[in-house]
Order: sequence, then C-alpha cells, then structure tokens
Amino acid sequence: RKEVEQDPGPFNVPEGATVAFNCTYSNSASQSFFWYRQDCRKEPKLLMSVYSSGNEDGRFTAQLNRASQYISLLIRDSKLSDSATYLCVVSRSGGYQKVTFGIGTKLQVIP
Amino acid sequence: NAGVTQTPKFQVLKTGQSMTLQCAQDMNHNSMYWYRQDPGMGLRLIYYSASEGTTDKGEVPNGYNVSRLNKREFSLRLESAAPSQTSVYFCASLETGKLGEAFFGQGTRLTVV
Repeated sequence: RKEVEQDPGPFNVPEGATVAFNCTYSNSASQSFFWYRQDCRKEPKLLMSVYSSGNEDGRFTAQLNRASQYISLLIRDSKLSDSATYLCVVSRSGGYQKVTFGIGTKLQVIP
Repeated sequence: NAGVTQTPKFQVLKTGQSMTLQCAQDMNHNSMYWYRQDPGMGLRLIYYSASEGTTDKGEVPNGYNVSRLNKREFSLRLESAAPSQTSVYFCASLETGKLGEAFFGQGTRLTVV
C-alpha cells in the first residue's frame, strides 16, 4: 500500500462549481499535512497547511481526519486559474524530515 | 530573493554520459532533497541531506550520487546515464522545524537517448 494515495483524476468541472479532493495516508505517525499545487511543467508550490481543526483560505478549505487518516481539499467557486495538479503531502520526523508526496489530482476547470 | 536555484533547466544526454545537476538555496535551510517526477508515479525521493556533511539514500537512489558541498549547495550526479533516468528532477529544501513546508527549484527536464 502506498504511503499517500490520491485519485489522479482528471476532475473536469465547470467554472463556478465546487470540487473536493481526498487523500489517504497509511502511517499513523504522520505529523504534518499539506496541499501543494503544481502547474503544468512547473515546480510544486505550497498551497496550504492542513490542521486538525480545519482551515480556510479564501475559496479553499482543508480538513484533516486523523481517525480515518485522510485529508481533504475543497475548492468553492472554481476559477479557470485553479486548473492544476493538487498534491497531497504528508510529513513526519524520523531521523530526518520525511516528506511523502501523493501522485497528485489533476483539476481542469472548464469555461 | 532567489529561493532554490536549480541548473540546468533542460538537458539531453546520450546513454553512458555523465552529468551533474546543481542546486543551491539561500534560505539557510538544513535539509535538502532530490526528487524525480515521472507520469503516474508522483515525486519520488532519490537522495536527501538532513544537514551539511550528511547524505542518505531515498526511495530510488540507484544510478545516482550526491554531494552536499556546503549548507547552500546539494548536487546530484548521474555517472552513466540510462534511458530509465529520463525524468523531471526537482531539488527542494525545507525550513528547519517546519515539517513538509518544502521549497522547490524550477526543475530539470532530462532526456537520455
């Protein structure tokens, strides 16, 4: 079983729609959780951290469910500029900062 | 405010040739990483360096060597390139104490023919 699993998509949604991605992780010792965004042929960039209490940044909401070992990302009122691949990232310490990336979920927002 | 600088951006090699990918960060991070990204595989860790003077293997180290020259620089060397090493390579660094908040270089698109 992969340490971090994501549905690769693609998710094709119309502008203005709400879309949600989930990501599951297998290691219960995982400590920190993030969503990264990667545009085509570009490097990944941090989108937002994910906290147990849930957190919101404008149209983006991230949540963590430790009991079920998954994190989610909700995007409201999708924009064309949201089209990208969203990477789920899980990290923990263990001699070094072990950072594991999911394969990413591709989102295509359609006019 | 350069962040993580990675060179070259593109490279084509013949099978058996060698090359070194350079990475430098100016954020005073202790930890640096080399990943490769292939379609359907996501980012896979090749080597990492938890601090200056130390390096360790990641998930897919075969065919690669690394050198942590100083705190700023972490290079990746392919001694004898193979077509299976055709990939996009990313260098990343992490802020000490902030698990997972990684900063990436722009990537190197390597093709081995």
